[in-house]
Amino acid sequence: DQQVKQNSPSLSVQEGRISILNCDYTNSMFDYFLWYKKYPAEGPTFLISISSIKDKNEDGRFTVFLNKSAKHLSLHIVPSQPGDSAVYFCAASDNTDKLIFGTGTRLQVFP
Amino acid sequence: EAQVTQNPRYLITVTGKKLTVTCSQNMNHEYMSWYRQDPGLGLRQIYYSMNVEVTDKGDVPEGYKVSRKEKRNFPLILESPSPNQTSLYFCASGSVAEAFFGQGTRLTVV
Repeated sequence: DQQVKQNSPSLSVQEGRISILNCDYTNSMFDYFLWYKKYPAEGPTFLISISSIKDKNEDGRFTVFLNKSAKHLSLHIVPSQPGDSAVYFCAASDNTDKLIFGTGTRLQVFP
Repeated sequence: EAQVTQNPRYLITVTGKKLTVTCSQNMNHEYMSWYRQDPGLGLRQIYYSMNVEVTDKGDVPEGYKVSRKEKRNFPLILESPSPNQTSLYFCASGSVAEAFFGQGTRLTVV
């Protein structure tokens, strides 16, 4: 059973606009959430994270929002740039040593 | 330069022929882990290690073995590979809060 779900396999956004990537989870014990970005032929790289005690974390153009009651988090990229085109994975941890990943969303930013 | 190095990057092998994928990190991390990435399934954890001689199963450990004899190395061993282990494998080190990934090993078992 998929505990972390990214229901949109792909997303296409025009350069300069906002990209919103969504992630849902089922395990209420998750208390730490992360987003990773992956380019082809490379390993995932850490992007941004959020603890369950917060509902928002911002780092430059990237903001992650957490809605614990809905078990939902989202990543906002503003403004989107062509270099943001990649696969984005959300991941969650329940204070153990395991990290559970979603299935990924492929973002394409076009000019 | 801080990095996680996996070898080989690409490997084609036959069913049943034992193989090892090596992973090495130079960041003195205690935590290391292995993942496989498959279409529609995302990244799934195979094994992880909290420190030297301490390893534990992830979500999909069947058919794999690992060892952690020294802090920097965490090899993944397939004793008898099968076609369903054809996948893209990633090694990672660092904490759950921020893991650093290798570039991946694409394994094909025929």
